[in-house]
Amino acid sequence: ETGVTQTPRHLVMGMTNKKSLKCEQHLGHNAMYWYKQSAKKPLELMFVYNFKEQTENNSVPSRFSPECPNSSHLFLHLHTLQPEDSALYLCASSPRQGWGANVLTFGAGSRLTVL
Amino acid sequence: DQQVKQNSPSLSVQEGRISILNCDYTNSMFDYFLWYKKYPAEGPTFLISISSIKDKNEDGRFTVFLNKSAKHLSLHIVPSQPGDSAVYFCAASAQGGSEKLVFGKGTKLTVNP
Repeated sequence: ETGVTQTPRHLVMGMTNKKSLKCEQHLGHNAMYWYKQSAKKPLELMFVYNFKEQTENNSVPSRFSPECPNSSHLFLHLHTLQPEDSALYLCASSPRQGWGANVLTFGAGSRLTVL
Repeated sequence: DQQVKQNSPSLSVQEGRISILNCDYTNSMFDYFLWYKKYPAEGPTFLISISSIKDKNEDGRFTVFLNKSAKHLSLHIVPSQPGDSAVYFCAASAQGGSEKLVFGKGTKLTVNP
């Protein structure tokens, strides 16, 4: 596997379910991100992790809980979500330092539907 | 309050002609700008970037122009090809950092054969 891999690609869950989104990067990057893309809205930054430490939480509701066990893996744990949380969730990574530090590599996304 | 605006949701161009995608921003602290391209069922991919110390950056068929006084940037694709059909996102950041990359809503480009 190369690049940034996200699983599952599609997820349907009820409001009382607990599920997790997984992201893995094989690029040797040190920073990982969660973005949310809702219909007709710009990509919204949710969380940033640098060297496994969370450095940004963009006022995300606590029903979204990120976890970064190492620089290659990022999870987004979901519980008691609302229908308006239905969106495409994109994971990204970047070198953080040196050339290209500003350039994010995105995964294909996890399409979440909350019923 | 959108800091990065792409006012054209869609653009249709004939193959071989020029495509011009526009982006406006409101935050004068932005100093680094990027364009991403997104195909259906794929994540956005980096296309080209420009620092605020420049007013033009070129990479093959793609050129980005930055007008700081107007807080406006544009992406030119010459010549346009059907494979360029995708959604194009403009993004900006302040102080060169990627953590606070702010995206526009995107413009869907269709290049007709």
